[in-house]
Amino acid sequence: GDSVTQMEGPVTLSEEAFLTINCTYTATGYPSLFWYVQYPGEGLQLLLKATKADDKGSNKGFEATYRKETTSFHLEKGSVQVSDSAVYFCALKRDSSYKLIFGSGTRLLVRP
Amino acid sequence: DTGVSQNPRHKITKRGQNVTFRCDPISEHNRLYWYRQTLGQGPEFLTYFQNEAQLEKSRLLSDRFSAERPKGSFSTLEIQRTEQGDSAMYLCASSRPTDTQYFGPGTRLTVL
Repeated sequence: GDSVTQMEGPVTLSEEAFLTINCTYTATGYPSLFWYVQYPGEGLQLLLKATKADDKGSNKGFEATYRKETTSFHLEKGSVQVSDSAVYFCALKRDSSYKLIFGSGTRLLVRP
Repeated sequence: DTGVSQNPRHKITKRGQNVTFRCDPISEHNRLYWYRQTLGQGPEFLTYFQNEAQLEKSRLLSDRFSAERPKGSFSTLEIQRTEQGDSAMYLCASSRPTDTQYFGPGTRLTVL
C-alpha cells in the first residue's frame, strides 16, 4: 500500500543553519505531496505542496521539489530560526482517494 | 475564515465510558475528515464525509466508533466503551472539493 517514510528525529540545529528533512514515498500513480507543520500545542498547518513531478512547493523560506525518479520530496530551508522549532510531517494523497497518508513526523529543534 | 474548531480540547475518561467529540469545519467546506494521531506517529485516516454522506471509513474505525454529520455542517465522533488503546489525539479537517485539507487543533483523549 501507499506509504511515506521520513528521517527520524529529533534534528537539532543552531540558528541560521541549513535544514534538510528527508521524505520518500511509495504510491501508485502520481500522488500530490505535502509538508505539514505542527507547532507545540497547535494543530497541523499546511506548509507547502506539489501536485506533479518537478513541481517545487515553497512557503516561509521552506522549499521541496517533487522528484518522481527518486520518489522523494525533501524539505529544505537555507537558514532556520528558533521559531521553526516544530514537528514536520510529509504526506501524500492520490487523486483517486480522499485521505492523506502521513509519515511519522520529524521533530526539529533550533537552538539560539 | 475562522478555521476548523474542535471541542473539547481535552477529555479524560475511565475505561468503559462513552465519549463524544465535536468538529466545526470552515463554513464553506463541504468535505470533512477525521484522523487519529498517537504519540510519536503521524495522523491516520479514520473517516470522510461529503456533505452529510459518510463516503469512506478506515478499518481502524471499529464498531465502537461512530461518526455523523447530520446537516452537512458540524460532525461528531463517538467512541463507545472506551479502551486504553483509544487514547490519542483526534483530529478533524475540512476542505473544498479537490482542495487542501485544513486541520483543527484536535481533541486529546486520555482513557484511564
